Amino acid sequence: QVELVQSGAEVKKPGASVKVSCKASGYTFTDYYMHWVRQAPGQGLEWMGWIHPSSGATNYAQMFQARVTMTRDTSTNTVYMEVNSLRSDDTAVFYCARQYFGSWYFDYWGQGSLVTVSS
Amino acid sequence: EIVMTQSPATLSVSPGERATLSCRASQSVTTNLAWYQQKPGQAPRLLIYGASTRATGIPARFSGSGSGTEFTLTINSLQSEDFAVYYCLHCNTWPPWTFGQGTRVEIK
Repeated sequence: QVELVQSGAEVKKPGASVKVSCKASGYTFTDYYMHWVRQAPGQGLEWMGWIHPSSGATNYAQMFQARVTMTRDTSTNTVYMEVNSLRSDDTAVFYCARQYFGSWYFDYWGQGSLVTVSS
Repeated sequence: EIVMTQSPATLSVSPGERATLSCRASQSVTTNLAWYQQKPGQAPRLLIYGASTRATGIPARFSGSGSGTEFTLTINSLQSEDFAVYYCLHCNTWPPWTFGQGTRVEIK
């Protein structure tokens, strides 16, 4: 069965970086884009960007472009999302979600990773 | 960037009644529209894609309609497990992909 398993909760200080992982199983890793979505406490969902697992190509939402990097490791079927220069308003749950090429929706999501930024 | 606007922000409904949720796009998204349900502490769950196709395992009481800029999610005969927040998502060839701000369906 399809599973996207994300890394655990993190607490970081302002200015630090965090790298969240999303390990995929149960399907052909390179057949699906992987997206990342941010959800601040009590707030809605924000699309951050995607990575093409086969080529490594990325596309970021403008508001995240300067501080976010998405990478992948095809040997372990894992994608990573790193946020630099963390601020307190980056405190959020980050989700990975997959999209089949040529479809226009996310069908499976990871369980979410809480990142808390606090001094 | 296409802006997705959901209404109402909160919908109070009694169990067994129908809920009608709206999502409007600032420009046409054809039928590239999906609906998600999110419960507290959980990841969103896909309900509808292509504006009107139910995802695998989604009960028939959930239905989606619309195209272009106006979309509706209808939940017939609300069950206790349906009280949640619902989001629409516009997705297309060219990013950014954008979510609506959500509609909370609460028990009346």
